[in-house]
Amino acid sequence: DTEVTQTPKHLVMGMTNKKSLKCEQHMGHRAMYWYKQKAKKPPELMFVYSYEKLSINESVPSRFSPECPNSSLLNLHLHALQPEDSALYLCASSRTRNNEQFFGPGTRLTVL
Amino acid sequence: GQQLNQSPQSMFIQEGEDVSMNCTSSSIFNTWLWYKQDPGEGPVLLIALYKAGELTSNGRLTAQFGITRKDSFLNISASIPSDVGIYFCAGLAGTYKYIFGTGTRLKVLA
Repeated sequence: DTEVTQTPKHLVMGMTNKKSLKCEQHMGHRAMYWYKQKAKKPPELMFVYSYEKLSINESVPSRFSPECPNSSLLNLHLHALQPEDSALYLCASSRTRNNEQFFGPGTRLTVL
Repeated sequence: GQQLNQSPQSMFIQEGEDVSMNCTSSSIFNTWLWYKQDPGEGPVLLIALYKAGELTSNGRLTAQFGITRKDSFLNISASIPSDVGIYFCAGLAGTYKYIFGTGTRLKVLA
């Protein structure tokens, strides 16, 4: 299995909702990432988990809360988002630090 | 902060033509990656480069790690319609952290 999977593919939520994005990989990778990508822009790093521990938080607002339950799963919990948070949210994984990163297909999030 | 500039920003080419694009930085990188992204999808890794001067091919794609370590180049030979998309370079800027380029949008005219 050489895939990173993400669910859901699309998500529409109101500003008072709580939702979660899920990411899974079965490549035995020990680093997992969340990126945010706005239209016509490159991906921007949000969080990095290494060996299930949060290694990097790129000053992301607390309304985004990451979680790594085990080495294969990565979640992003969303609460009280703003319309400007609408974007494509990408998950990626790599074997360890500094190795090439493999991306999932993304979750298209729309905040109303 | 560090920034990667990609050139050209966009290009229209005829099917069958060769394509060249590049990525430049004011900083040195030890690893360069090239990705292709289709609309609404995640980036797909095309080529990884780890050594200055390295030249690596993947089918019709060839990428080079610049000798100064501040640039990288991607060539696509004999373009086909499915080459349409956005091509991103990424340079390893620190532990776990890749900086992405601004992207080159490729459109192929049949």
